[in-house]
Amino acid sequence: DAGVTQSPTHLIKTRGQQVTLRCSPKSGHDTVSWYQQALGQGPQFIFQYYEEEERQRGNFPDRFSGHQFPNYSSELNVNALLLGDSALYLCASSLDRGRDGELFFGEGSRLTVL
Amino acid sequence: AQTVTQSQPEMSVQEAETVTLSCTYDTSESNYYLFWYKQPPSRQMILVIRQEAYKQQNATENRFSVNFQKAAKSFSLKISDSQLGDTAMYFCAFMKHFRFSGGYQKVTFGTGTKLQVIP
Repeated sequence: DAGVTQSPTHLIKTRGQQVTLRCSPKSGHDTVSWYQQALGQGPQFIFQYYEEEERQRGNFPDRFSGHQFPNYSSELNVNALLLGDSALYLCASSLDRGRDGELFFGEGSRLTVL
Repeated sequence: AQTVTQSQPEMSVQEAETVTLSCTYDTSESNYYLFWYKQPPSRQMILVIRQEAYKQQNATENRFSVNFQKAAKSFSLKISDSQLGDTAMYFCAFMKHFRFSGGYQKVTFGTGTKLQVIP
């Protein structure tokens, strides 16, 4: 049973560039959430996708956008990168909008902005 | 808005001993879930234990148990018979009950406690 997979695992960008991170949810899951985890901090909720639409959003600017595809996989896009965007980006999948609260996480994509 | 506070940035415990990690939270909700997640050095975070606020009985999962004090808004995790594989970051987390959130969920995490199990 494939778990949550994310790509790439590491990447380095410069300020002002754009980045796309990808996530495949656990088999059978239909909901994908994205979290940003800065060094030494807990994950911060970015947004959640269900039925190909953004359903909830945390306190992140419009530079952060996403997409969910018919096969439930998802992308996170960040435009006009800032130094402060350096973080581990975690994808979490769940079933039925995450009603029971259990999230299954991927190993994350480590983004470094220079 | 909900907040989750973990006041112990780092802790250590001898193998086979018992350790308790603390967590407090602030919310005006009456129905919600609380969680402890574990993030080992390999980074993949996994759920350790879950507590539903309307259940008075404390949740238990093998060596892991919680002490849930709803009035005090306290939710501690006890790890018994600590093992080397328990070494990880532990995050306390909160989520509103889905009936009160429009059906869509977000989880609020604390800043974590780094637990080191010493051989």
